[in-house]
Amino acid sequence: DQQVKQNSPSLSVQEGRISILNCDYTNSMFDYFLWYKKYPAEGPTFLISISSIKDKNEDGRFTVFLNKSAKHLSLHIVPSQPGDSAVYFCAASVWGGGKLIFGQGTELSVKP
Amino acid sequence: GAVVSQHPSWVICKSGTSVKIECRSLDFQATTMFWYRQFPKQSLMLMATSNEGSKATYEQGVEKDKFLINHASLTLSTLTVTSAHPEDSSFYICSARAPGTSGSSDTQYFGPGTRLTVL
Repeated sequence: DQQVKQNSPSLSVQEGRISILNCDYTNSMFDYFLWYKKYPAEGPTFLISISSIKDKNEDGRFTVFLNKSAKHLSLHIVPSQPGDSAVYFCAASVWGGGKLIFGQGTELSVKP
Repeated sequence: GAVVSQHPSWVICKSGTSVKIECRSLDFQATTMFWYRQFPKQSLMLMATSNEGSKATYEQGVEKDKFLINHASLTLSTLTVTSAHPEDSSFYICSARAPGTSGSSDTQYFGPGTRLTVL
């Protein structure tokens, strides 16, 4: 049972444009969500998070939007840069529970 | 801040031997660490939760006698793959749960990973 889903395995975007990565979840108990960036053969790097009491969190070029009624979150990267090319994972947890459940990842390619 | 290291970064071993992987939180104390496994082009799968001073909690399907976890201090957790076989070859990643402000207590910071190849 895939509780966190990233239905797009890959995304290609032109440099300078917006990248939108999507994530859906099924467990209504999740109330904390995170996005990680990962390069091959490296550990994930924390990007940004959001708790369920908010619907938006912004950090520089990265913004995460949460739609609780739709059980959907998205990561916006504006403007996209070639260095953003990586695999992006969304993850969810029950706040205070510790365990993160990861989606399958979306490979972002930003072309110059 | 929130730096997690892993050692070794890669290891090749013969079938039947045991391999120990260390995970350290370098600039914070982590009461809880996690061990993940990632197969090529797949998601990170949680193997176990390691709590300092107590037994690890293993996810369903993970053999606790094969993957021994020790969390002896607030900055170190070890994963030992015992009697390794080729099917244990994978990328093993640890993470540490960082203390944070309200709303961020579940943020995990990951180590760089260990590539294990069992011949």
